[in-house]
Amino acid sequence: EIVLTQSPDTVSLSPGERATLSCRASQSVTANYLAWYQQKPGQAPRLLIHGASSRATGIPDSFSGSGSGTDFTLTISRLEPEDFAVYYCQQYGSSPYTFGQGTKVEIK
Amino acid sequence: EVQLVESGGALIQPGGSLRLSCAASGFSVSSKYMSWVRQAPGKGLAWVSVTYRDGMSFYSDSVKGRFSISRDNSKNTLYLQMNSLRAEDTAMYYCVTGGVILPYDSWGQGTLVTVSA
Repeated sequence: EIVLTQSPDTVSLSPGERATLSCRASQSVTANYLAWYQQKPGQAPRLLIHGASSRATGIPDSFSGSGSGTDFTLTISRLEPEDFAVYYCQQYGSSPYTFGQGTKVEIK
Repeated sequence: EVQLVESGGALIQPGGSLRLSCAASGFSVSSKYMSWVRQAPGKGLAWVSVTYRDGMSFYSDSVKGRFSISRDNSKNTLYLQMNSLRAEDTAMYYCVTGGVILPYDSWGQGTLVTVSA
């Protein structure tokens, strides 16, 4: 099983600032099948990034993904008020399809 | 527009059974990989099961032998039969499109299963 470890657990930032979230895998992610999801309170998660760096339909270009192998990053270039949420990474290349524990981006 | 609507969640005693449904619209469930993902209260996300287009299905170790995923193409609906329920199965259950080498690109709103005496 591939264990995904996200860091930090929580980050406190102000609107307009840049957010950098990390996701580290315990072994190489098959074909970089790594996704990022955003979840707001009381809502279902929403796909942001797939294939480590491809934005999903309708996702603004302020969100970008990078990385390969075992180290991946989600960057939000300029935080908008609606971007404060919990973010999860997930690998979908090897069963079981595991998620990271999440990073909460909160308003400073 | 793809839409997924889950139902069937309830308060159920340990050892009981429950069947969750996921009514799909905007696409055919027979044409996509379909999965169930759950989230325990205040916790993170966890993959539960996936069914392939050809009907093959796979499960996480925590539910293998107790849960069964299926679909009714005529009703365009995905199901999750849950038997021998345990307290640790308490969670919001989400129906999602995708799985295997595809990300979860559409999510339902979830249905809550609470296992408690």
